[in-house]
Amino acid sequence: KAGVTQTPRYLIKTRGQQVTLSCSPISGHRSVSWYQQTPGQGLQFLFEYFSETQRNKGNFPGRFSGRQFSNSRSEMNVSTLELGDSALYLCASSWDRGRSEQYFGPGTRLTVT
Amino acid sequence: GQQLNQSPQSMFIQEGEDVSMNCTSSSIFNTWLWYKQDPGEGPVLLIALYKAGELTSNGRLTAQFGITRKDSFLNISASIPSDVGIYFCAGLINNNDMRFGAGTRLTVKP
Repeated sequence: KAGVTQTPRYLIKTRGQQVTLSCSPISGHRSVSWYQQTPGQGLQFLFEYFSETQRNKGNFPGRFSGRQFSNSRSEMNVSTLELGDSALYLCASSWDRGRSEQYFGPGTRLTVT
Repeated sequence: GQQLNQSPQSMFIQEGEDVSMNCTSSSIFNTWLWYKQDPGEGPVLLIALYKAGELTSNGRLTAQFGITRKDSFLNISASIPSDVGIYFCAGLINNNDMRFGAGTRLTVKP
């Protein structure tokens, strides 16, 4: 069974631009969560989607948004990029709502210059 | 965010040695998860624990769900070079509240 896939793996953007990251969950998994990982803050929860609806949201500004499609694939968008948005963005999927037994993708390394 | 106290922060051990690390909190958890992360990759789920006192093994790895439900332990026996990486604990208070430790960076010297 294929794991969680994320595209692109690496991305370089400049301040003020916007970016869209994509995540394909494990086949059959219906819940997708997004995390930001930085050396200083560690893993920070962004949001969780289930059945195309955002179920939970972390403490991030409105510049961070996401969506989930009917095939459970998810995208997250960051608008008006700031230098501090440079991070590894991880997507994780699980079979049901909630975040037990989440399986992470390899991440998208975003660098904002 | 990081609201679990994970220790030690880093470990430098000799190949063949056993390793122990733990996570503690003042909160009570329903689930404990242990992940390993290699550089540039996402965390890989190693062990999931669902009941207080539960002891679960995955090869040379053994993890325990603390009796008080406020802590968890991970042991690695007979370490090998490929054990190198960062180990994270995660605790679920409920399905909507998941917290992570800061990670233990393990270095194994051959």
